[in-house]
Amino acid sequence: DGGITQSPKYLFRKEGQNVTLSCEQNLNHDAMYWYRQDPGQGLRLIYYSQIVNDFQKGDIAEGYSVSREKKESFPLTVTSAQKNPTAFYLCASKRESYNEQFFGPGTRLTVL
Amino acid sequence: AQSVTQLDSHVSVSEGTPVLLRCNYSSSYSPSLFWYVQHPNKGLQLLLKYTSAATLVKGINGFEAEFKKSETSFHLTKPSAHMSDAAEYFCVVSQMNTGFQKLVFGTGTRLLVSP
Repeated sequence: DGGITQSPKYLFRKEGQNVTLSCEQNLNHDAMYWYRQDPGQGLRLIYYSQIVNDFQKGDIAEGYSVSREKKESFPLTVTSAQKNPTAFYLCASKRESYNEQFFGPGTRLTVL
Repeated sequence: AQSVTQLDSHVSVSEGTPVLLRCNYSSSYSPSLFWYVQHPNKGLQLLLKYTSAATLVKGINGFEAEFKKSETSFHLTKPSAHMSDAAEYFCVVSQMNTGFQKLVFGTGTRLLVSP
């Protein structure tokens, strides 16, 4: 089955801790994206990567970091510098020359 | 810059009645537009997309949308609602920035379907 997987589904973190969210895709897509979703708002772009070993900041990158060492993987680290990290995080990927993005099932992060 | 406005935060319908979810867009050139659906605590699923071909676009699960340039609208419709249609729906416009495609999301419309 081709698709995007995100793990874990639920994540709890204490204040001051860094935490890493996993995103893996086996669709052979070049571009990958991380979004944050808060209640009553649309999705906001955190980081994106168009090719391996390259990534760019999105609209709300402060307090987050990413890496893209493999085409299939695009992990997101939520650092202690992120002031309000509790949210639903969605990973997406896109095939080159196509318009639509495909989304993973999401990770719900709660800071205690 | 492109933007989308979803005119209703909530829409309530009865099962078997028509669905209309409204979306207006702003774009400096011919846009690519999408509707995505999200069920609770799930990822987003593409319902349909418009990319400058036919103005009436058919999607999955009986949904369709009509691109109206004169009205800058891309409303989503379905003739007969089903209980399983209850979800959040996002209207999205695609924006190109120096070769990178960025999706700009509306704030969503929650569809409630009553028996």
